[in-house]
Amino acid sequence: GEDVEQSLFLSVREGDSSVINCTYTDSSSTYLYWYKQEPGAGLQLLTYIFSNMDMKQDQRLTVLLNKKDKHLSLRIADTQTGDSAIYFCAESFSGGYNKLIFGAGTRLAVHP
Amino acid sequence: DGGITQSPKYLFRKEGQNVTLSCEQNLNHDAMYWYRQDPGQGLRLIYYSQIVNDFQKGDIAEGYSVSREKKESFPLTVTSAQKNPTAFYLCASSKAGTGDGYTFGSGTRLTVV
Repeated sequence: GEDVEQSLFLSVREGDSSVINCTYTDSSSTYLYWYKQEPGAGLQLLTYIFSNMDMKQDQRLTVLLNKKDKHLSLRIADTQTGDSAIYFCAESFSGGYNKLIFGAGTRLAVHP
Repeated sequence: DGGITQSPKYLFRKEGQNVTLSCEQNLNHDAMYWYRQDPGQGLRLIYYSQIVNDFQKGDIAEGYSVSREKKESFPLTVTSAQKNPTAFYLCASSKAGTGDGYTFGSGTRLTVV
């Protein structure tokens, strides 16, 4: 079935790197996404990776994709207090319409 | 600038009332979606629409209704049949056939009083 799993909470010290992990089930997903949600706001697309890629880097963000294990990770370098938010992983579902399956979200807390 | 607008930001409903949440996009996106988010939980799909005058039930459609009379607009009505409507509601849109993902609105927080 369709399922995306994430750990629910991550706490890091300001300036350290954060790594948020996600596992998904649909091996034929074409795209995988990371969204950020700040309190009381909608979801903002951070980055996405095409399924034939292993890695994508965008400034402080690095996405790693292990298709064999169906594992996706988001690394945030030099984490700042402004990075405190909920991060959602999503996979594009291969059956039917342009459907995204979202994980439950990982709450990232950055402390001094 | 193109975007997706939800209104109102906060909405209060009395027991037994129907309320309608607005969602408008000027991105020329084909598909639109409504999600519900409860505290500490992920997103649950209520309804989606791929084209005008057509929409499909998502995972938790009971107690909700939608219409898609225009490409730009996808209003959601929370009916009195929805027993626990207090939640954060998110509207999203996407362009069919691309990997651009969804664009989300800023959400409407509905509270039953």
